[in-house]
Amino acid sequence: AQTVTQSQPEMSVQEAETVTLSCTYDTSESDYYLFWYKQPPSRQMILVIRQEAYKQQNATENRFSVNFQKAAKSFSLKISDSQLGDAAMYFCAYIRGAQKLVFGQGTRLTINP
Amino acid sequence: EPEVTQTPSHQVTQMGQEVILRCVPISNHLYFYWYRQILGQKVEFLVSFYNNEISEKSEIFDDQFSVERPDGSNFTLKIRSTKLEDSAMYFCASSDLGQGGEQYFGPGTRLTVT
Repeated sequence: AQTVTQSQPEMSVQEAETVTLSCTYDTSESDYYLFWYKQPPSRQMILVIRQEAYKQQNATENRFSVNFQKAAKSFSLKISDSQLGDAAMYFCAYIRGAQKLVFGQGTRLTINP
Repeated sequence: EPEVTQTPSHQVTQMGQEVILRCVPISNHLYFYWYRQILGQKVEFLVSFYNNEISEKSEIFDDQFSVERPDGSNFTLKIRSTKLEDSAMYFCASSDLGQGGEQYFGPGTRLTVT
């Protein structure tokens, strides 16, 4: 079964600094997708960034970028120029095809002003 | 922008009662999902639904749970006899592409079983 592991329960960063959230996953499949979701205190799940496993190029979305290492099964999220609004729980997730999303345990990110 | 909606936002029920959580997926989406998040824990998959039938369900989704798409727009999750441990946030999600397509989440229904 696929598993997703986030080893950092909590992270904090100074406003305007850069922070990296770690995620590893386990799968025997070669074709899959990886996501980072943000969950603010409202508990709404918001997609931050998406990576297709067949693409070697790392995905970027404005201040958010990933470091996708397929062989190492690693998928970290880098947030540049951190803003107070980035404070939230961040979940790494895996999916293959139209199947279920498998989530990690989450990392609570605090932004210090 | 189209969005997934869920009602109610908060439901309080007594143990043993039946509850129905409602979701309106994005109109052209074909794949529907329910997830659950117990407070402070990770999001867990419950069930996926495609072409008017369940395509996959987790071990959490036992005989007390059922899903239905009664009228082509709503997607419901029924819990027949609620337990204290059913207290959680329930998220509905929908997707159009299936294959790695983004799942759009609703705002969630907070279920409190007393």
